[in-house]
Amino acid sequence: DAGVTQSPTHLIKTRGQQVTLRCSPKSGHDTVSWYQQALGQGPQFIFQYYEEEERQRGNFPDRFSGHQFPNYSSELNVNALLLGDSALYLCASSLIGLTQETQYFGPGTRLLVL
Amino acid sequence: ELKVEQNPLFLSMQEGKNYTIYCNYSTTSDRLYWYRQDPGKSLESLFVLLSNGAVKQEGRLMASLDTKARLSTLHITAAVHDLSATYFCVLFGNEKLTFGTGTRLTIIP
Repeated sequence: DAGVTQSPTHLIKTRGQQVTLRCSPKSGHDTVSWYQQALGQGPQFIFQYYEEEERQRGNFPDRFSGHQFPNYSSELNVNALLLGDSALYLCASSLIGLTQETQYFGPGTRLLVL
Repeated sequence: ELKVEQNPLFLSMQEGKNYTIYCNYSTTSDRLYWYRQDPGKSLESLFVLLSNGAVKQEGRLMASLDTKARLSTLHITAAVHDLSATYFCVLFGNEKLTFGTGTRLTIIP
């Protein structure tokens, strides 16, 4: 049973560029959430996708956008990159509606903005 | 806004000793998790606590939940080096996870 997968594992970009990160959820899961973890801090919720729509959003600017595909995989896009966007980006998947369901996290994509 | 506070933020303890990490949160929640993160790695779910008085144990770790006090604890018994990691208390609310500040635990031989 494949867990949550993310690609790429590492990425280096320069300020002003755009980046796309990808996530495939755990088999059987239909909900994908994205988190940003800056160095030395806890993860911060960016947004969540279910049925190809954004259900919840954290305190992140519109430069952060996403998409969910019919196969439940998801992309996170960040435009006009800033130095402060350097972080570990984590994808988590779950199954909507199960009260005891744990969110399973992928290995993350480490983004460095120069 | 849901807030989650952990203490201590940093903890160094000798092998074989016992210690407790505390987690206080600001509003009621459907469920509380404890996650572990090794340096440079992703997050591993340790426990999910659903109701007042819930207690879960796995090996040398035991987690408990007091919803009336809005307090959860993670107790470490007879610590071993393999337990060195950052531990996060995480609240589930409004369909999203809110993470605590994390406790960086270092076990000293």
